[in-house]
Parts: sequence; C-alpha cells; structure tokens
Amino acid sequence: AQTVTQSQPEMSVQEAETVTLSCTYDTSESDYYLFWYKQPPSRQMILVIRQEAYKQQNATENRFSVNFQKAAKSFSLKISDSQLGDAAMYFCAYGKINDMRFGAGTRLTVKP
Amino acid sequence: DVKVTQSSRYLVKRTGEKVFLECVQDMDHENMFWYRQDPGLGLRLIYFSYDVKMKEKGDIPEGYSVSREKKERFSLILESASTNQTSMYLCASSFPPLYQPQHFGDGTRLSIL
Repeated sequence: AQTVTQSQPEMSVQEAETVTLSCTYDTSESDYYLFWYKQPPSRQMILVIRQEAYKQQNATENRFSVNFQKAAKSFSLKISDSQLGDAAMYFCAYGKINDMRFGAGTRLTVKP
Repeated sequence: DVKVTQSSRYLVKRTGEKVFLECVQDMDHENMFWYRQDPGLGLRLIYFSYDVKMKEKGDIPEGYSVSREKKERFSLILESASTNQTSMYLCASSFPPLYQPQHFGDGTRLSIL
C-alpha cells in the first residue's frame, strides 16, 4: 500500500519568514495526485494546494508553493511571508483513482 | 461553497453503547468518507461510499459500520462503543474518482467513558 511520510511532527516559523514542510511518499504508480491540506485549530480542514504528477511545473497558490521531485518521491510545501493565520496542522496526501492516503501531519506554529 | 455538516462537535458516550455519527453534504458528491484522526497517526480511513447503498472498507473498519440510504447522508455507527474508539472523527465528501479534492466537516470529538 502507498504510504505518505511527514518526518516533521512540529515546525515553527517567525511571522513574515519562510518555512518548508517536508513530505515523501511511496508508490509504483506513474499517474497520481498530491495534496496539502490545512487544519486550523478547532476548524475545518481545507485544501491548500494540489499537484498532478504528470505536470513538471510546481503548483503555486499565492504564498504557498510546492517543490515536487517525482524521482525522489518528495513533495514539500513552502509557505512564504508566514502569517499568524497559517498556524495549523498540515497534512500531505496522495491520491489515485482508487486510493487516497494521508500523512501523520505537521503542526506549524507561527511566532509573532 | 460545499457544506459538509457533522451532527455533533462533541459527544460523550459510555462503553457498550451503540453510537451514531451523522454527516450531510450539500454538493451532490458521489463519494463520502469517514476518517479517524489521532495524534501522530494522521487520518485513517474507516469506510467510504461511492454511491447510495454502496460502501467499501478502509484501513480500520473493525468495530464500525456505515449506512448510506440517501446520497447526501453518510452515517458512521459504532456497534458497541469501546474506550479505544475515543477519537476525532472527520467526515468528507468529493466527486469521483478518489483523487479529487475532499471537502471536510468540522469533526466530532467522541469520548467513550
């Protein structure tokens, strides 16, 4: 079964600085999708960014961007100009036509 | 916006009780999911449904069952609650196939005493 590994249980960043959250996954597939979800404290989990494996270009959404390394099976999330509202649990996820897997999560703290 | 509504934010039950967690979505999504979220373990899939009356076991179905009588509603049932089922339960929905982005409810924090 495919697995998703987030090796950083907790991370912290100073407000306005940049932080990178790591994610690796294991798969033998060539077509799949990767996601980063954000779960703020006591609030709903929402999708932050999505990457199609067949696309070489890294996805970006405003201050959020990914570094997708298909050969290395790595999918890191970079948050630029961190804001207090970025504090949350971040989950990396892998999806294909008949499967979806989540990592264990990284708790991000933003220091004012 | 997609709305996924879970019936309770907090629930306290006793061991041996039959517990129902309800989830309703308003976007006509075919797929619906129940996850369990525990610290250090992330989200683990309990069951999912890809159509009315259709269900598939996830990674940890033991001790749980589900019901989907209508497209918008997906219920998780703890047949005989036990203390090791104390957890946060998340419901989600999406269009098919499974790699489509999922929309989540607020979660139900269930405590079994």
